[in-house]
Amino acid sequence: GEDVEQSLFLSVREGDSSVINCTYTDSSSTYLYWYKQEPGAGLQLLTYIFSNMDMKQDQRLTVLLNKKDKHLSLRIADTQTGDSAIYFCAERGVRGKLIFGQGTELSVKP
Amino acid sequence: GAGVSQSPSNKVTEKGKDVELRCDPISGHTALYWYRQSLGQGLEFLIYFQGNSAPDKSGLPSDRFSAERTGGSVSTLTIQRTQQEDSAVYLCASSRDRGVHEQYFGPGTRLTVT
Repeated sequence: GEDVEQSLFLSVREGDSSVINCTYTDSSSTYLYWYKQEPGAGLQLLTYIFSNMDMKQDQRLTVLLNKKDKHLSLRIADTQTGDSAIYFCAERGVRGKLIFGQGTELSVKP
Repeated sequence: GAGVSQSPSNKVTEKGKDVELRCDPISGHTALYWYRQSLGQGLEFLIYFQGNSAPDKSGLPSDRFSAERTGGSVSTLTIQRTQQEDSAVYLCASSRDRGVHEQYFGPGTRLTVT
């Protein structure tokens, strides 16, 4: 079946890099996504990667995809306090529905 | 429109009452999704509309839940005889069409059943 797993918490210091990891089970997923959710807010699409790519860079964000191990990661360079939020990994399922992980709460300490 | 909008932003209801939640997708977006975010279950898919096709209702948790989309735009999610376990944030998302993959989410409706 479809399942997406993430670690629940990550704490880093301002200026450090953050790496949030995710594993998924559906090898037929065409797209994988990272969404950000700030307190009391909806989900903001941060970035995505197509399944035939192994890396995508977008400013401070780097997405790495290891399709063999079904492992996805999001690296945030020079993490700022404004990056504190919950980050959700998601895979695209049948008819485009998204299957989400539990979310990783990123805490950035000054 | 500027983005996906949802109303109300917060709803408190008594157990057993019916509620209606509304979603206005981005103008021109033909695909519309409802999701639910709760402490126990995380983020889960509920229902999907694409144009005039029959909706995919595979995620609806019980027959107390239903949704419609009138005129291919606004959608209403209805929960009948609400239960405490229905308390959650209900999120709506839209995308331009089935082939376009980015889904844009609204701010959600926080439903509390007392």
